[in-house]
Amino acid sequence: AQTVTQSQPEMSVQEAETVTLSCTYDTSESNYYLFWYKQPPSRQMILVIRQEAYKQQNATENRFSVNFQKAAKSFSLKISDSQLGDTAMYFCAFTMMNRDDKIIFGKGTRLHILP
Amino acid sequence: EPEVTQTPSHQVTQMGQEVILRCVPISNHLYFYWYRQILGQKVEFLVSFYNNEISEKSEIFDDQFSVERPDGSNFTLKIRSTKLEDSAMYFCASSPPGQGADTEAFFGQGTRLTVV
Repeated sequence: AQTVTQSQPEMSVQEAETVTLSCTYDTSESNYYLFWYKQPPSRQMILVIRQEAYKQQNATENRFSVNFQKAAKSFSLKISDSQLGDTAMYFCAFTMMNRDDKIIFGKGTRLHILP
Repeated sequence: EPEVTQTPSHQVTQMGQEVILRCVPISNHLYFYWYRQILGQKVEFLVSFYNNEISEKSEIFDDQFSVERPDGSNFTLKIRSTKLEDSAMYFCASSPPGQGADTEAFFGQGTRLTVV
């Protein structure tokens, strides 16, 4: 069974700093997707970034980037120049490359950006 | 921008009552999901739905739960005989057709269910 582990329940950083959120996962499959979702206080789930496992290049999306280490089954999220609006719960997630496959979420990391 | 819409945003119900949570997925999407998040806990998969039938369901999704796509646009989750532990945020999600890099689940804003 696939699992996703986020070892940092909570983190705080000063505004404008860079922060890295850790995620490891376990699977025996070779083709899959990894995601980071943001859940602000409104509780909405917002996709931040996505990585296809068959791509070696790390995904980037403006201030958000990932460090995808397939052999180590590690998928960390780096937020550069953090902003107050980045304060949220961040979930690392995994899904297989089947169209109807479920998403498996980690327990989340609560990130506080301090003014 | 198209979005997944869930109604109501918050529902309070008495224990033992039946509730129906409603979702309108993005119009050209073919894959539909329900997830739930008990307060302070992780998001858990409940069920996936494709081609008018359940594709997969978790062990949480027992006989108390059912899903339906009654009219080609709505996707509903029915919870019969609600229990206190059903109190949670329920998220609907949908995915478009296609393969490869298009994979993305679009989530609704959630329905907060409170069972009292």
